[in-house]
Amino acid sequence: NAGVTQTPKFRVLKTGQSMTLLCAQDMNHEYMYWYRQDPGMGLRLIHYSVGEGTTAKGEVPDGYNVSRLKKQNFLLGLESAAPSQTSVYFCASSDLVLQGYWQFFGPGTRLTVL
Amino acid sequence: AQTVTQSQPEMSVQEAETVTLSCTYDTSESDYYLFWYKQPPSRQMILVIRQEAYKQQNATENRFSVNFQKAAKSFSLKISDSQLGDAAMYFCAYRSAIAGANSKLTFGKGITLSVRP
Repeated sequence: NAGVTQTPKFRVLKTGQSMTLLCAQDMNHEYMYWYRQDPGMGLRLIHYSVGEGTTAKGEVPDGYNVSRLKKQNFLLGLESAAPSQTSVYFCASSDLVLQGYWQFFGPGTRLTVL
Repeated sequence: AQTVTQSQPEMSVQEAETVTLSCTYDTSESDYYLFWYKQPPSRQMILVIRQEAYKQQNATENRFSVNFQKAAKSFSLKISDSQLGDAAMYFCAYRSAIAGANSKLTFGKGITLSVRP
């Protein structure tokens, strides 16, 4: 099993450009999450999904959109990138049935917006 | 809303010694889970240990153990026989036991642990 994978690993954007981050998991997990990590801030939840076709806002959703068209994939989109979105982005997934299960994290994507 | 506080931004420990990382949290819920994650320079988030709030016994995983004080809302991580590979950032996290919308993790800001050879 590959676990949770993220594409790409690094990206540099100019202000106003758009991009999509792809998260894929092969563990048949129902729940998927997108976090951003900034120095001194820990990880903050952007959006999450409790199943295929569902999405919900997290703590810092502004400027981002998400889609969960397939159970194994969770996409994070930036329609018009801003320097404030420079961050490391993590995707995670977890099991529905075993509620105590921890979240499995992807390797992260480092995004720089110039 | 739940909050997680890690008040020490940095700590240092001598190799082979023991170190304790502090974490406090605030919640009105009675059933929840607590976690410690490790993030080495590779950036990968690695689960170290987890604790179910309904269990009184403190969780232990090899050299890692927790001191869970539910009434005080405290969840500290003890690392025994510290190794150079333990150097990393450590995050404390909270998760409600209620299914559905509250399944997200709430993280503390993290603590950077350095290990002196």
